[in-house]
Amino acid sequence: QVQVVQSGADVKKPGSSVKVSCKAYGGTFNTYKVSWVRQAPGQGLEWMGGIIPMIGSPNYARKFQGRVTITADKSTTTVYVEVRNLRSADTAVYYCLITRQYWGQGTLVTVSS
Amino acid sequence: DIQMTQSPSSLSASVGDRVTITCRASQNIDTYLNWYQQRPGKAPNLLIYAASSLHSGVPSRFRGSGSGTEFTLIISSLQPDDIASYYCLQIHTDQWTFGQGTKVEIK
Repeated sequence: QVQVVQSGADVKKPGSSVKVSCKAYGGTFNTYKVSWVRQAPGQGLEWMGGIIPMIGSPNYARKFQGRVTITADKSTTTVYVEVRNLRSADTAVYYCLITRQYWGQGTLVTVSS
Repeated sequence: DIQMTQSPSSLSASVGDRVTITCRASQNIDTYLNWYQQRPGKAPNLLIYAASSLHSGVPSRFRGSGSGTEFTLIISSLQPDDIASYYCLQIHTDQWTFGQGTKVEIK
């Protein structure tokens, strides 16, 4: 059984960056695929990218390449997603998904001037 | 990239009705497809993986089928607890994609 805990809600200005964390408790973290999924208000789920901590090379949805970075810290079993040059359309709940079944509680990121 | 077309976008049915949701892939994804349920204000939950395998603890009224490009999620007898949005997710390539979602309401 894996428990997933994400960092808390954040409010950012347009043009700034945000970094959201996802910590896993239990399981063999380093071998799991960890994905980031976001959901804008009233909209559907959108896969952003993922990483296998043991391998370390992330892959990204084409829409997010160049503006999003996913990293993993094996020592703390934590994965991060950083989104740069934020705009209002990035206002969303950001979810961490470990393997196919373990979801974090979600982190609301609000981009507002 | 593989596009997932999910239909309908919403539906309203009575308790006890059979409900069918479809996902079509723009190319062959074999059985690399999962289905998720998302209740309002909550994180999604895995229902079905590998197109037709029922995730542990999921009621047997949920059934998934299909392979290749056409997939179906069936709720055999709709219950009030099933009010939620449902999403398919293809994981065939390293570029995962979700369907647009289906919102299920009770008549």
